[in-house]
Parts: sequence; structure tokens; C-alpha cells
Amino acid sequence: AQKVTQAQTEISVVEKEDVTLDCVYETRDTTYYLFWYKQPPSGELVFLIRRNSFDEQNEISGRYSWNFQKSTSSFNFTITASQVVDSAVYFCAPLNNDMRFGAGTRLTVKP
Amino acid sequence: DAGITQSPRHKVTETGTPVTLRCHQTENHRYMYWYRQDPGHGLRLIHYSYGVKDTDKGEVSDGYSVSRSKTEDFLLTLESATSSQTSVYFCAISDSGQGEGGYGYTFGSGTRLTVV
Repeated sequence: AQKVTQAQTEISVVEKEDVTLDCVYETRDTTYYLFWYKQPPSGELVFLIRRNSFDEQNEISGRYSWNFQKSTSSFNFTITASQVVDSAVYFCAPLNNDMRFGAGTRLTVKP
Repeated sequence: DAGITQSPRHKVTETGTPVTLRCHQTENHRYMYWYRQDPGHGLRLIHYSYGVKDTDKGEVSDGYSVSRSKTEDFLLTLESATSSQTSVYFCAISDSGQGEGGYGYTFGSGTRLTVV
């Protein structure tokens, strides 16, 4: 089964700062998918992005960007010009037969 | 339309009592999952189902059983609840075991279970 490490337990930034959330995963599979989910204080899990193991292109969606490096088994997530509404717990999750989650990074954005 | 609903949303029960949580979907997805969320552990997979009457264990299945008699319903049962099973339980659905549908899993709103 795959394993994922999110080394940053908590991060606190001031609004408009850029912040990067790290994710390192382990898998013996050659084909897999990687996901990021956001869990705001209300508790629901919100899908952010899906990436397959064959696609190493970086992706940008508004203020969000993702850097996938297969050689280092990392799938990092950057929020540019953070906002208070970005405050949440963020989970990185690799998926092959089923989805396994990291422990999450709690991001607090202060005004 | 939520597409996936969990019931109850909150429950307090006593140690040793049986508890059943329900996950109901209207998406006709084949795959359904139960996770528990605890501080410091993220979400951990308890059991999953890949079709009616087809289920398998996840990484933290001890003390839990599941049943899926219909495509739309996936039940999680704690046969004899213990305080260590106090947690937030999430159900998820997927139209493919590898997220081929493009959006990974869709999660329910969660059930907060307290065992006293």
C-alpha cells in the first residue's frame, strides 16, 4: 500500500504571503494517482486536484499551483497571495487500489 | 442534491453497545468507502466495497464490519463500541477504483461518533 508524508503539521502565514505545502509519497506501483483535498473548518472534504503518475507537468489554477516530481516522489502544493479563506487542513492522498491520506497540514492565514 | 448522505450526523453511544452508520448514494457509483478521521492521522481506510455484497478490509478494520446489500447503501457497524472508536467517520464514493472519473472520491459530510 502507498504511504504519504506531510511533514508540516501546522503552518501560519499572514494574508498575501505565498505558502507551499509539502507532500512526499511512497509507492511500489508504476501507475498511480495523486490528489489534494481541502478540509475547511466546516469539516467537508473538497477536491482540489488529481494528477496521474505519467503526467509530470506542473499545474496552475488561479492562485493554486502544484509541482509534481516523480524522481523525488513529491507532489507539493503552493498557494500564491494567500487569503483568510484558505485557512483549512490540506490533505495529500495517493491512490492506486484505494486512497490513502497523509496526516494533513493545518494552514492558518491571518489577516 | 448532495449525491451522498451519511446518517446520523452526530451520535453519542455507550461503551459496549452496537452502532450502525449509514451511507447512502444516489450516483450509482460502484465503489464505496468508509474512513475514520482522528487528529494526527488524517483519514484512515476502514473498509471498502467494490460492488453489491463485495467488500474488503482497509488498514484499520478491527472492530468494524460492513454490509452492502444494495448499490446505494453501505453500512458500517461497530459490534461493540469502545472509546477508541470515538472519531469522525467519512463515507466516500467513486465510479472507479482508481479515480478514472476524474474527481477521485466524493465524500459525505461525516458522522461524529462519541463513545462514552
